[in-house]
Amino acid sequence: GAGVSQSPSNKVTEKGKDVELRCDPISGHTALYWYRQSLGQGLEFLIYFQGNSAPDKSGLPSDRFSAERTGGSVSTLTIQRTQQEDSAVYLCASSPQTGAGNTIYFGEGSWLTVV
Amino acid sequence: DQQVKQNSPSLSVQEGRISILNCDYTNSMFDYFLWYKKYPAEGPTFLISISSIKDKNEDGRFTVFLNKSAKHLSLHIVPSQPGDSAVYFCAALIFGNEKLTFGTGTRLTIIP
Repeated sequence: GAGVSQSPSNKVTEKGKDVELRCDPISGHTALYWYRQSLGQGLEFLIYFQGNSAPDKSGLPSDRFSAERTGGSVSTLTIQRTQQEDSAVYLCASSPQTGAGNTIYFGEGSWLTVV
Repeated sequence: DQQVKQNSPSLSVQEGRISILNCDYTNSMFDYFLWYKKYPAEGPTFLISISSIKDKNEDGRFTVFLNKSAKHLSLHIVPSQPGDSAVYFCAALIFGNEKLTFGTGTRLTIIP
């Protein structure tokens, strides 16, 4: 499809395990964002990529969280030693340009449950 | 610290009437405000936005009002339609900073 694609759509993992979430942005979009939404909360910014570099990692909640983007396209968000409080929907978004919030296109999200 | 607040978790409105969704913010540095709509199992989609230099922006049935002195914005939908039933998120950003700050959302239900 032409939209932002995320996988897996659902993931249940045991506490302490590592997980990888993948985002395939819209072709040609240079900006890529990761957000998460915990139960009863708003969307929380995690990290932003411009090309392959991450000018803003300020939202990553701990050093267990990391993200990379290769080839200016696909991004992977990795959570190490998962905890129950990591359970959330992880949303990826992409944008053809920066500085314009209305051109951000979100994927459907990856639902992560840590048991 | 919740910089963008949507104090009504839910709202029910009769079809054809006006829906008013409210949002308050605390950071006076915010330059730009947006509303997103989210259906279940889908990502949020952009609805309408407003710059801090304006106090109103209209797009079809949707109008956003900004009151900077009160740090308050609202989204008006008129007339409301069943397809408007969704969760609505208010968001804000500071120009030059790519981070959108979201509220917790308001679930709007349109009653046929």
